[in-house]
Amino acid sequence: SAVISQKPSRDICQRGTSLTIQCQVDSQVTMMFWYRQQPGQSLTLIATANQGSEATYESGFVIDKFPISRPNLTFSTLTVSNMSPEDSSIYLCSVAGFSGRGDEQFFGPGTRLTVL
Amino acid sequence: GENVEQHPSTLSVQEGDSAVIKCTYSDSASNYFPWYKQELGKRPQLIIDIRSNVGEKKDQRIAVTLNKTAKHFSLHITETQPEDSAVYFCAASRGGSQGNLIFGKGTKLSVKP
Repeated sequence: SAVISQKPSRDICQRGTSLTIQCQVDSQVTMMFWYRQQPGQSLTLIATANQGSEATYESGFVIDKFPISRPNLTFSTLTVSNMSPEDSSIYLCSVAGFSGRGDEQFFGPGTRLTVL
Repeated sequence: GENVEQHPSTLSVQEGDSAVIKCTYSDSASNYFPWYKQELGKRPQLIIDIRSNVGEKKDQRIAVTLNKTAKHFSLHITETQPEDSAVYFCAASRGGSQGNLIFGKGTKLSVKP
C-alpha cells in the first residue's frame, strides 16, 4: 500500500485559532478524503478532496469551517478554522485509486487535535 | 444518502471460538464493502473487502459474505486469537469517483485467552 504521512501528529490549540493539517502520499492517488473520529466513535467523512477543484463536503460540514486544498495528486491539506472544544478529535486523511488497488482505501496515521 | 448499521456494538468470545459481525446498508447503488480493524491508538487497517458481484470472499481465518438483495454483509472470524481483539468497522461506498466510505458505528471485539 502507499505510505501516507500526516503533519502534525498532534496539537493542542486555543479556541478561536486555526490549524492546518497536511497529508502526503508517496505515490500519485486518484482519491483523497478527510475523516474525523471523535474518541470512542466511528469515522465520519468530512469531505472528498478534489484535485484542481473545490472539495465535496458531506452534510454538516462547510468550507468556511473546514477549507481543503489539493494542489496535486500526492498532497492535501485540511484546515480547522475558528476552533472550539467540540472540534477536539482525531482527523484522518485517506487515499484510494493507486497502483491498481482500485477502491481500496488506506488511512494516514491521524492528527490528534485538542482544543482548549 | 447511505446509512450503515452495525451489530453488535460489543462482542466477547473465548479464544478459538468464531465471531460474526453484521452490517446493513441502505443505498442500493453501493457496490464496495470493506472491513477495517482498528487497534487502540492506531489507524484503521483494511482487512478484507467485497464487491457487489461477489457473494463471499475468504482470506485465511477471515471471511466476508454479502447478500445484495437483503442489503446486508457480515464479517466472520474463525479460530479467534487474543490479537484479534480490536474495534472492527464495516463501510460501504459506490466506488470509483464516488468512493467516499460511510462507516458503521463499530464493534469492539474482545477475545479472552
